[in-house]
Amino acid sequence: DTEVTQTPKHLVMGMTNKKSLKCEQHMGHRAMYWYKQKAKKPPELMFVYSYEKLSINESVPSRFSPECPNSSLLNLHLHALQPEDSALYLCASSQVLVSGGTYEQYFGPGTRLTVT
Amino acid sequence: EDQVTQSPEALRLQEGESSSLNCSYTVSGLRGLFWYRQDPGKGPEFLFTLYSAGEEKEKERLKATLTKKESFLHITAPKPEDSATYLCAVRGNQGGKLIFGQGTELSVKP
Repeated sequence: DTEVTQTPKHLVMGMTNKKSLKCEQHMGHRAMYWYKQKAKKPPELMFVYSYEKLSINESVPSRFSPECPNSSLLNLHLHALQPEDSALYLCASSQVLVSGGTYEQYFGPGTRLTVT
Repeated sequence: EDQVTQSPEALRLQEGESSSLNCSYTVSGLRGLFWYRQDPGKGPEFLFTLYSAGEEKEKERLKATLTKKESFLHITAPKPEDSATYLCAVRGNQGGKLIFGQGTELSVKP
């Protein structure tokens, strides 16, 4: 099973709202990722968690706050977003990179976020 | 700086008309080259990983090949359901992030 699930599928929020995106995987992967994707563009990395610890933050604004409660779950908390934050938010997971190794990432279906 | 360039940006084929998509890359120490398929509004679907020059992998009508500078995704006798955006990504030995190309949007008409 190579499934990563994300909820909700669609989210509309105002600029003063607080909402959360959720991601779950049961492949035993210990690396999890958040990406942002704009139309006609490739995915853009936001955060990486390795063994439930934040290992990469690609200089993402603080209005995006990631959380990894356990090895299967990944959340993205949203607060005071701007209209330009509207995008498809993708979660992915993989085995943890080791020296000399590489592993493919498996993506979820995404959450389509619209900020009004 | 690691970089990936895909061509063409868009490709229109008739059903059954075979063709190839190109992914050129420059990377410090290739750890892997990945092909993904993405349908509109959905997440990328993993297709292949290639590790070293000369390697080839196949899946149904798709075949991926790798040289030291580029990868090709060959599509044999495509069907309309092969229509999607195909993304190429590489991982080098500088950090763990994937570097994506801009993608090739493939349209197959019946």
